[in-house]
Amino acid sequence: DSGVTQTPKHLITATGQRVTLRCSPRSGDLSVYWYQQSLDQGLQFLIQYYNGEERAKGNILERFSAQQFPDLHSELNLSSLELGDSALYFCASSSSGGDDEKLFFGSGTQLSVL
Amino acid sequence: GQNIDQPTEMTATEGAIVQINCTYQTSGFNGLFWYQQHAGEAPTFLSYNVLDGLEEKGRFSSFLSRSKGYSYLLLKELQMKDSASYLCAVRDFSRSNDYKLSFGAGTTVTVRA
Repeated sequence: DSGVTQTPKHLITATGQRVTLRCSPRSGDLSVYWYQQSLDQGLQFLIQYYNGEERAKGNILERFSAQQFPDLHSELNLSSLELGDSALYFCASSSSGGDDEKLFFGSGTQLSVL
Repeated sequence: GQNIDQPTEMTATEGAIVQINCTYQTSGFNGLFWYQQHAGEAPTFLSYNVLDGLEEKGRFSSFLSRSKGYSYLLLKELQMKDSASYLCAVRDFSRSNDYKLSFGAGTTVTVRA
């Protein structure tokens, strides 16, 4: 158990809908990362937050947004869903954003868009 | 940004050694990580290199050459439980993106009896 909690574990929805994925980092970790993993593309970095502020941005679509709340949990919002958004979405956390930080991953949310 | 290349698949026999290579191109290198991911599970941290050389951790070792943009993960005394995907990840710093950890597509290692 990494200490990172993601909910829900599975999500099935239809095209055009909007969903929210939730992540609680390890106790004491300030950084939260979101990754998308699909079969043909591997782990794709979406966005990182550090202590409530956006710190780095990857290949995140405009239809997607995220935030980190004062209690450090984070939410990833996916809207106007398309079939191609079906993937495993991982949240990861780390402590301080230092050079040798390692990421601790949650067990992921499997999103299926039908 | 960076390009990270690693082989798609490798097969080896139980008890043998396997070396997984990773090459990368980045403008602001700030560390290289290896993660292990079993099918359907979350990636877990294996190793970290930021200086040139070999880091050894039990049966697993990782090597880095920054001038060549090259790393390898060495798995010794392979066990069936080592069958997994191994992900090379490069930490990159840029003014526009601060620090970013990007992953390669992963190498699926299959250990056979």
